[in-house]
Amino acid sequence: NAGVTQTPKFQVLKTGQSMTLQCAQDMNHEYMSWYRQDPGMGLRLIHYSVGAGITDQGEVPNGYNVSRSTTEDFPLRLLSAAPSQTSVYFCASSQDSYGYTFGSGTRLTVV
Amino acid sequence: KNEVEQSPQNLTAQEGEFITINCSYSVGISALHWLQQHPGGGIVSLFMLSSGKKKHGRLIATINIQEKHSSLHITASHPRDSAVYICAVVASGSRLTFGEGTQLTVNP
Repeated sequence: NAGVTQTPKFQVLKTGQSMTLQCAQDMNHEYMSWYRQDPGMGLRLIHYSVGAGITDQGEVPNGYNVSRSTTEDFPLRLLSAAPSQTSVYFCASSQDSYGYTFGSGTRLTVV
Repeated sequence: KNEVEQSPQNLTAQEGEFITINCSYSVGISALHWLQQHPGGGIVSLFMLSSGKKKHGRLIATINIQEKHSSLHITASHPRDSAVYICAVVASGSRLTFGEGTQLTVNP
């Protein structure tokens, strides 16, 4: 099925560990983005990309890295996990301002 | 002050009631999205609006660009409509700015 695939769905990390959240889309969308969702704060933009080889920071980029080597994939890397990064993470893709498609989310707990 | 404000934050209704959720924004936008998120679930796009009104089943979304305001209406509400409804605007490029969401509970 066409859409945005996020893995893993759940993850528990220890403080200081690193990991990569995967995001892949098969709709040939140019725009991809990562968000975190925290209680009482809504969704906030972490990083985004307007095409392969182009990335930029969003509202809350600290502690996260991204790369966009292909149109399909947009992984999010946590370099050294901190408890403040406990959150639910969503990846989304869009061709322009219209028709956003979201992944199913990754629930991350850092202990 | 957030760029996107939703009201109410929480809403409880009885099955069959007409429901309205409001969204106000303070910036110029190219589009506005209404999203739905069920408990523990992913996010689904309900509507994208740049003007006027759209209808899908029991859901109706309207936008007034001059007043920077949008509403999401649910007619004949049902317990399965219970979810968080999120307003998001596209202000620059393709970047979304989100409201905090409205938690809707529809009781049978």
